[in-house]
Order: sequence, then C-alpha cells, then structure tokens
Amino acid sequence: DAGVIQSPRHEVTEMGQEVTLRCKPISGHDYLFWYRQTMMRGLELLIYFNNNVPIDDSGMPEDRFSAKMPNASFSTLKIQPSEPRDSAVYFCASRRAGARNTEAFFGQGTRLTVV
Amino acid sequence: KNQVEQSPQSLIILEGKNCTLQCNYTVSPFSNLRWYKQDTGRGPVSLTIMTFSENTKSNGRYTATLDADTKQSSLHITASQLSDSASYICVVISGGGADGLTFGKGTHLIIQP
Repeated sequence: DAGVIQSPRHEVTEMGQEVTLRCKPISGHDYLFWYRQTMMRGLELLIYFNNNVPIDDSGMPEDRFSAKMPNASFSTLKIQPSEPRDSAVYFCASRRAGARNTEAFFGQGTRLTVV
Repeated sequence: KNQVEQSPQSLIILEGKNCTLQCNYTVSPFSNLRWYKQDTGRGPVSLTIMTFSENTKSNGRYTATLDADTKQSSLHITASQLSDSASYICVVISGGGADGLTFGKGTHLIIQP
C-alpha cells in the first residue's frame, strides 16, 4: 500500500480564496483524521470520520472550515474564505478499526500558505 | 485539561552522542503512550507504544521509558546518527476526548556531524 496520500503537497493562495485539501486513506482503514500543525500549537485534531461519517468536528476552528468523506477512499478539507492565520501544515491520518491505541498512519501533509 | 509537555523544545548534539527527550503528561484516564518521529517535510511515524504496565521498551537505538506513577516518559537515543535529526512527538492516548489523543508539541533534535 502507498500509505495515506495527500494532495497538493504545497498550496499558496491569496486571502479570501477557497482552498481544498485532499486525502486518500489506506485501503481498509475505517477511521480518517484531519490535523493541523503549527509551531505554536503543534498537532491539533480538526475532525475525524468513522466509516465515512463525521464523528467529532469540535476541533474545526470556524464555519469557514468544512470536511467531507463521500466514500471510503477519499476525503476533502475545504477552507472558504481562507485567511493568513490558516497558514499551517495540514495532515490526514487513517487507522483500522479497534482500540484508540491502534496506530494511525499519517500522510506527508499539505503545507498551506495564505498571503 | 489533558496536557502533554515535552522538553527540551530543541536540542543540538554531535553525531555519535546519546540524548534523552522528556515527556510529562496530565492525561486521564491514561491508556497508552506513543512516541512519533517526524522528519522535516513528512508526516509523523510511530517509533514505539507503551502500555500502563510497561516500564521500558526498545526499538533499535531508541529506548522509551514510562513511569505511570509520576506520569513521565522519556525517549533515549543511543549513538546518534545524522538521520536521527527530526522532531519527536509524545502522544498520550486516553479513554476520553474526541480521538483520545493528546499531542505534545515535540522536541526538535538536530544531529551535527
């Protein structure tokens, strides 16, 4: 398996524009997580899905953020409109069903810069 | 509030030297503790996971310890190599919260030749 695949790897956009980040989880994994990483705050959970259903989105900072998982092999994180403070690295991770200590595998991340 | 504190924030050592990274946590209820290595420009990769009853676990030149009484963990790297340069993130897994994971901010380790 190629692991968790994220695209694009880098995204530079102007403030106010819509940004869509994409993730393909590992096949067979039931859980998918979206994280944001900054120097100041480290890794923060934004939202996670179980069997394509959003379970907890309490980490989503504002209504400008939305996430979907239309099927087991694809998820998107959308920011509309984007702001400079959204600049960060966004990670997608997936894991198999099971206890919470089941290892989550991370993608390589999308580095978002909003200017 | 569940928290994971890591120290030092950054560390520079010479190749071949040993080092120890610290992780203190206030997470309840505690289930497991995992150390991740994150290379620059990559996602975190798990090094080891420790359960409540485990005190020490090794993975090659990496040795993790856990003291559940004092709520401390350490990651010891022996005979460091240039490829050990990375951020090391301590993650505590609990039975509560959203995904049950509380992340430390990491220790940024630089190995100099």
